[in-house]
Amino acid sequence: DAGVIQSPRHEVTEMGQEVTLRCKPISGHDYLFWYRQTMMRGLELLIYFNNNVPIDDSGMPEDRFSAKMPNASFSTLKIQPSEPRDSAVYFCASRYYRVGREKLFFGSGTQLSVL
Amino acid sequence: SQQGEEDPQALSIQEGENATMNCSYKTSINNLQWYRQNSGRGLVHLILIRSNEREKHSGRLRVTLDTSKKSSSLLITASRAADTASYFCATDENNAGNMLTFGGGTRLMVKP
Repeated sequence: DAGVIQSPRHEVTEMGQEVTLRCKPISGHDYLFWYRQTMMRGLELLIYFNNNVPIDDSGMPEDRFSAKMPNASFSTLKIQPSEPRDSAVYFCASRYYRVGREKLFFGSGTQLSVL
Repeated sequence: SQQGEEDPQALSIQEGENATMNCSYKTSINNLQWYRQNSGRGLVHLILIRSNEREKHSGRLRVTLDTSKKSSSLLITASRAADTASYFCATDENNAGNMLTFGGGTRLMVKP
């Protein structure tokens, strides 16, 4: 398996633009997580899905952020409009949650810079 | 919000020495996991310890868990320059819908 695949790897955009980050989880995994990492705030959980259904989006900073998982093999995180304070590394992670198999598999992340 | 808090935030040692990192958390957990992150990369799972376990080993890694003190430690023995990375603890909390909450991490530098 290729692991969790995120695209793009790097994104540079101007304030006010729409940004869409993409994630393909590992096949067969039933949980998908979106995290944001910054020096100031560390690794924050934004939202997670179970069987394509959003379970907890309390970490989403504000209405400018939205996430979807239309099927088991694809998820998007959208920021509209983007702001400089959204600059961070965004990670997608997935797992197949059963006792004995609780570990998370992370993608390589998307480095977002909003100018 | 962060559940686990790592200590120290940064650690610098010589190759061959042991490195110890600590993690404290606030609520009851199902398990605690340690992850490693190389610069510019995603996190990679290292080891998991369950709430009914006190110690676990994997190669040069040793993890302890004290649920009464809500703390865990990660020991890397005979460190190598390639161990240079950030290390994070993550808690799988009871009644938290199977989500993992990460601490702030410890940046480890191993000098050759």
